Amino acid sequence: GNSVTQMEGPVTLSEEAFLTINCTYTATGYPSLFWYVQYPGEGLQLLLKATKADDKGSNKGFEATYRKETTSFHLEKGSVQVSDSAVYFCALRIGDAGGTSYGKLTFGQGTILTVHP
Amino acid sequence: SAVISQKPSRDICQRGTSLTIQCQVDSQVTMMFWYRQQPGQSLTLIATANQGSEATYESGFVIDKFPISRPNLTFSTLTVSNMSPEDSSIYLCSVGINTDTQYFGPGTRLTVL
Repeated sequence: GNSVTQMEGPVTLSEEAFLTINCTYTATGYPSLFWYVQYPGEGLQLLLKATKADDKGSNKGFEATYRKETTSFHLEKGSVQVSDSAVYFCALRIGDAGGTSYGKLTFGQGTILTVHP
Repeated sequence: SAVISQKPSRDICQRGTSLTIQCQVDSQVTMMFWYRQQPGQSLTLIATANQGSEATYESGFVIDKFPISRPNLTFSTLTVSNMSPEDSSIYLCSVGINTDTQYFGPGTRLTVL
């Protein structure tokens, strides 16, 4: 079956530090990959996505590259801010056989990030 | 993207009662989904809400416990029936806007005493 494994947290960093949150996946077929972020007390927001191998998704200084050979989609940011403190979820979606439907999202367990001033 | 609202935002309920959660989208969407996020856990898909037909439930979730309505392309409800403390979770609806992306509502935080 499909699954997503994330780096265990929590992760605690000082402001302006470099961030990596590891994500690896197991999937039948060719998934699309996503990072979602959940700020305290809020719902999930789509952070970035990549739909095919070697694609790089980027947003708000975060980026992740779809690596088919290592089945990975690690999230990185060069300089974190206190406002980046949140829970980060890696997820995958397998399209339906018709290739045009949305398919269900399979989530990793989430990684709590805390950034101190 | 889409603007998605949920009601209520939170509730505290007694064991054995039922709660209906509403999800409203500001545009017509084909696919709507309901997820559960148990305390400290990841998200698990409960079901896909299909307009004009019965919802499609994931393994481990049944219609009697989580009945879903989808009367039109902008609205859906999820009912948590005969609640127990194990049902304490955040319940989120999401919508599929294009072929690859789902957007989530703010969630309903449910506590069952």
